Amino acid sequence: EPEVTQTPSHQVTQMGQEVILRCVPISNHLYFYWYRQILGQKVEFLVSFYNNEISEKSEIFDDQFSVERPDGSNFTLKIRSTKLEDSAMYFCAASIQGVRLGYNSPLHFGNGTRLTVT
Amino acid sequence: QQQVKQSPQSLIVQKGGISIINCAYENTAFDYFPWYQQFPGKGPALLIAIRPDVSEKKEGRFTISFNKSAKQFSLHIMDSQPGDSATYFCAAVGAAGNKLTFGGGTRVLVKP
Repeated sequence: EPEVTQTPSHQVTQMGQEVILRCVPISNHLYFYWYRQILGQKVEFLVSFYNNEISEKSEIFDDQFSVERPDGSNFTLKIRSTKLEDSAMYFCAASIQGVRLGYNSPLHFGNGTRLTVT
Repeated sequence: QQQVKQSPQSLIVQKGGISIINCAYENTAFDYFPWYQQFPGKGPALLIAIRPDVSEKKEGRFTISFNKSAKQFSLHIMDSQPGDSATYFCAAVGAAGNKLTFGGGTRVLVKP
């Protein structure tokens, strides 16, 4: 069973539309993250989430973005009004106790959702 | 100051050769340095990691060398195999934070 499952694998949307990207981490993970990777570029941190609240966010994560864990299993990223520059691969990641514990708490990534905004 | 700079962007190595990827950082608050391996269509996966209290960490064919005074660290892939062809990311975690800051990535191609 994969540690982190993301759906859908690919989503195409029109500019201005809302999208919700979904992630299901394995049940014992407590720290959750969203990262994005624009094609050919580095993996960028968006937001971290712990104990049902945002613990840290980057400057990319503006008012158009939101996260929630509505039912204790799914972890979602919502983009309210997509822009062309939101086109990227979005990765959900999770760890048991936070990444600073290193090998005791590795960060597991899903296989990503490729978001294409047209 | 939060950046991690990685080089080269890509490299090609013959099977059996050594692949070397370098990273540099400025933020002295970073205290955990993992390397991630990413295959096409997959998310990054933890490969090997080091803390700054040691200068070298070896796991199989993969070795991290760490130079704390120079704020640099590198990944060496010995006896490179075609199955090692992937993108490699260095990363860093700070004492006050709980997120990974990634380098720009290195695409490694190992030719048979």
